[in-house]
Amino acid sequence: EDQVTQSPEALRLQEGESSSLNCSYTVSGLRGLFWYRQDPGKGPEFLFTLYSAGEEKEKERLKATLTKKESFLHITAPKPEDSATYLCAVRPSNFNKFYFGSGTKLNVKP
Amino acid sequence: GAVVSQHPSWVICKSGTSVKIECRSLDFQATTMFWYRQFPKQSLMLMATSNEGSKATYEQGVEKDKFLINHASLTLSTLTVTSAHPEDSSFYICSAIQSGAHYEQYFGPGTRLTVT
Repeated sequence: EDQVTQSPEALRLQEGESSSLNCSYTVSGLRGLFWYRQDPGKGPEFLFTLYSAGEEKEKERLKATLTKKESFLHITAPKPEDSATYLCAVRPSNFNKFYFGSGTKLNVKP
Repeated sequence: GAVVSQHPSWVICKSGTSVKIECRSLDFQATTMFWYRQFPKQSLMLMATSNEGSKATYEQGVEKDKFLINHASLTLSTLTVTSAHPEDSSFYICSAIQSGAHYEQYFGPGTRLTVT
């Protein structure tokens, strides 16, 4: 069964304290793994797509990496404006839909 | 680029009435749109997949006669909640995949539905 698990559920960091969010997945053929940022009361904002193990992508303080079983979203020297819920989703190769994890709520304190 | 809009952003309706939510891709064509529902502090729950020119595919447990989806063009999909009840109150979010793109879906800002 296709499944996506994110950890931790919540993460509190001090400004400047780097950390990583985890997304582990079980899917029958990975067509793509996606990271999104969601602010309260808003739709998710697209961050990254990763397609194959070993792939990495960066955007400002965020870096996403992918292995055959999991993905990490590394946050370097976070700022309070990085506070949000980060969602991970996978698209299996044999289905035209996306499976979402439950998200990690990140709170960065100044 | 890749902007998706939803209208309305919030709506309050009385029990028993129907509500229509529009989802538009503003600067690209979308052969596939998705409709999600999100409960407070929970992740997105896929309700249905909408393909332009064909019937929507509903997820198990989603009543297709209650949640009517129409994907009339490459830039517009609508979700109509028929005979709404308080338990239908939720945050509804649509997303669209750009035709020919590598499966990247872009989300609308969401619609908060409250049924009284």
